[in-house]
Amino acid sequence: EDQVTQSPEALRLQEGESSSLNCSYTVSGLRGLFWYRQDPGKGPEFLFTLYSAGEEKEKERLKATLTKKESFLHITAPKPEDSATYLCAVQGSGNQFYFGTGTSLTVIP
Amino acid sequence: NAGVTQTPKFRILKIGQSMTLQCAQDMNHNYMYWYRQDPGMGLKLIYYSVGAGITDKGEVPNGYNVSRSTTEDFPLRLELAAPSQTSVYFCASSYGGGGKNIQYFGAGTRLSVL
Repeated sequence: EDQVTQSPEALRLQEGESSSLNCSYTVSGLRGLFWYRQDPGKGPEFLFTLYSAGEEKEKERLKATLTKKESFLHITAPKPEDSATYLCAVQGSGNQFYFGTGTSLTVIP
Repeated sequence: NAGVTQTPKFRILKIGQSMTLQCAQDMNHNYMYWYRQDPGMGLKLIYYSVGAGITDKGEVPNGYNVSRSTTEDFPLRLELAAPSQTSVYFCASSYGGGGKNIQYFGAGTRLSVL
């Protein structure tokens, strides 16, 4: 069965303190791994898609990487506006997506 | 460009009542999805559609029905509301082609069944 596990559940960082969020997955025939950002009371907002092991994508202070078993979202020198819940999702060989439970990130000024 | 629009934003239902959650997209996407999000549980797929007239069940379809008569609209029907259906419901759409299946989400409908 396709499964996604995110860790940690919650993360508090001081402004400027870099860290990483983890997304481990089991899926048959990975077609894509997706990172989303979700602010309170809003729908998820797309950040990155990764398709094959070794692939990396960057956007401002965020960098996503992918291996055969997991993905990392690295946050470099975070700012308070980076505070949000970060969701990971995978699409296997079918049309369905499987989401993790998310990591709630708080960046303290 | 509106993207994915969900209505209503909030709703309170009594047990046994019925309602339809509306979802419309203006991006000419083939694929549309309905998810529910419960605290600490992540997004769970209820139903999805790969095109007008084609729908399929996701992980948690019981108690819900869908139809897709046009490319733009994908309503979700709750026939006999139960407290277990209290949740936040998100509709999403994607192009669906070539594996580059980026989903775009609406703002959600917050439903309470009392």
